[in-house]
Amino acid sequence: GENVEQHPSTLSVQEGDSAVIKCTYSDSASNYFPWYKQELGKGPQLIIDIRSNVGEKKDQRIAVTLNKTAKHFSLHITETQPEDSAVYFCAAATNNAGNMLTFGGGTRLMVKP
Amino acid sequence: DSGVTQTPKHLITATGQRVTLRCSPRSGDLSVYWYQQSLDQGLQFLIQYYNGEERAKGNILERFSAQQFPDLHSELNLSSLELGDSALYFCASSPRQGANYGYTFGSGTRLTVV
Repeated sequence: GENVEQHPSTLSVQEGDSAVIKCTYSDSASNYFPWYKQELGKGPQLIIDIRSNVGEKKDQRIAVTLNKTAKHFSLHITETQPEDSAVYFCAAATNNAGNMLTFGGGTRLMVKP
Repeated sequence: DSGVTQTPKHLITATGQRVTLRCSPRSGDLSVYWYQQSLDQGLQFLIQYYNGEERAKGNILERFSAQQFPDLHSELNLSSLELGDSALYFCASSPRQGANYGYTFGSGTRLTVV
C-alpha cells in the first residue's frame, strides 16, 4: 500500500518568513495530493490540493509543487502569519474506487510574532 | 461548520466498556471514512463505507466495527475498550467512492478510556 512520509515534524518560523513542508510517497499510481490544516480542537481542513497532471498550484500565500519523477510534493507558505500556526498534513491517493487517503505524520508549524 | 456532524464531542468511559460514535456526512456525500488520531500522531485510516456498503478496511481492530445506514449516517462501535483506545476519532465524507474527490472532516469525537 501507499506510504507517505512528511518532514519536518515541527517547524518554527518568524512572522513574515516562508515555511516549506515536504512529503514523499511510495505508490507511483497516486495521482491526488491534498494538504490539510488542523487547528487545535478541530478537524483537518483542506487548504489546497494538486493532481498529478499539474506541477504547481497556487492560492494566495499557499502553493504546492509536485515532482512525479521523484515522488515528492511540497507545501509552501509565504508571508507567514500567527494564524498559520497549526498542524499540517499531506496525503496521497489513487483514483481507484474505494481508495482512501494515506496521510503523512504531520508538521506542527509555529509562527512567532 | 464543515457540514459533517460528529457526536458526541467528548466521551469518557471505563476499560472493558462499549461505545458508539456517530457521524452524519455532508449533504449529498455518499462516502464515509473513519480515522483514528492518537496523541501527537497522524491520522490512521480505519474503514470506509459507500452508500451503505463497506468499501475499504484499514488498521481496524476486530473489537471495532462500523456500519452506514440507509440515511447515510454512520456509526463506529468500539467494544472491550482498552486504555490505548483513547484517541480522537474523525469521520470524513466525500461525494463519491474515490478519495480523490476530496474529503470533508468533522470536528471529531475525543474518547478517553480510564
